[in-house]
Amino acid sequence: SQQGEEDPQALSIQEGENATMNCSYKTSINNLQWYRQNSGRGLVHLILIRSNEREKHSGRLRVTLDTSKKSSSLLITASRAADTASYFCATGRKAAGNKLTFGGGTRVLVKP
Amino acid sequence: GAVVSQHPSRVICKSGTSVKIECRSLDFQATTMFWYRQFPKQSLMLMATSNEGSKATYEQGVEKDKFLINHASLTLSTLTVTSAHPEDSSFYICSASMTGLWEAFFGQGTRLTVV
Repeated sequence: SQQGEEDPQALSIQEGENATMNCSYKTSINNLQWYRQNSGRGLVHLILIRSNEREKHSGRLRVTLDTSKKSSSLLITASRAADTASYFCATGRKAAGNKLTFGGGTRVLVKP
Repeated sequence: GAVVSQHPSRVICKSGTSVKIECRSLDFQATTMFWYRQFPKQSLMLMATSNEGSKATYEQGVEKDKFLINHASLTLSTLTVTSAHPEDSSFYICSASMTGLWEAFFGQGTRLTVV
C-alpha cells in the first residue's frame, strides 16, 4: 500500500506562478525524495532530503521536510509550461532496503 | 545521471501469449532492480524486487507464476507476463539504484496492451 498521500491531486497554474504540493507519510523514514513523471514516461529523480534536514534547494525547486508532522512540501518557483507533469514523493527507510514507497502523486498543469 | 533502458516501450499482444520486458542499467551495476505497475492517473504499485542471482521478492497479491522475473546479470532484469489477459494491460516501469545510494533511476516504461 502507498504510504504517502499527496495534496492536491491536481493543480492548474499560469506560467510564472509558483506551484506547491504536499506529501504526508505514516512511518519514520531515512529520506524523502521527489520525482517527476511526464505523461507516458518513466520517473525522473528531482531531489532527495534526508530525515535530519529541514530544507533543500535545487534550482527552482525547494523542498521542506517536517518529520514531527511526517510531511514534506515541494515548491516549484516561476513555473514553465515544461514543468507540466505528475510529481510523486517517495519515502525510503533503511529497514526496507532500497525499496521506495510512493505517494499518490500531484498532476500539475502549467498553462502558457 | 545513470541510465536505465527499458524495452519495448509499447507492445500489443494477444490473450494467452507471453510478453517479455527488459530492463537494463547501461552505465552502472545494479544488484537490485524494482518492477512497478501503474494504472492511468495513479501512483506506482511495486510488484517485485529483483535480486541478481537469486529469486525475486514479490509484493503481497502479485502472482509470481504470472509475472516471472529473472535477474541474470548485474545489468539486466526481465519481467515476463505469462498467459496475458486484457486485465494485465497496464504501464510497467522498472527502476534500479546504485549500491549504497537511495536515488532510483527509472526506465522509460512499457505500455502493454492485451487484446
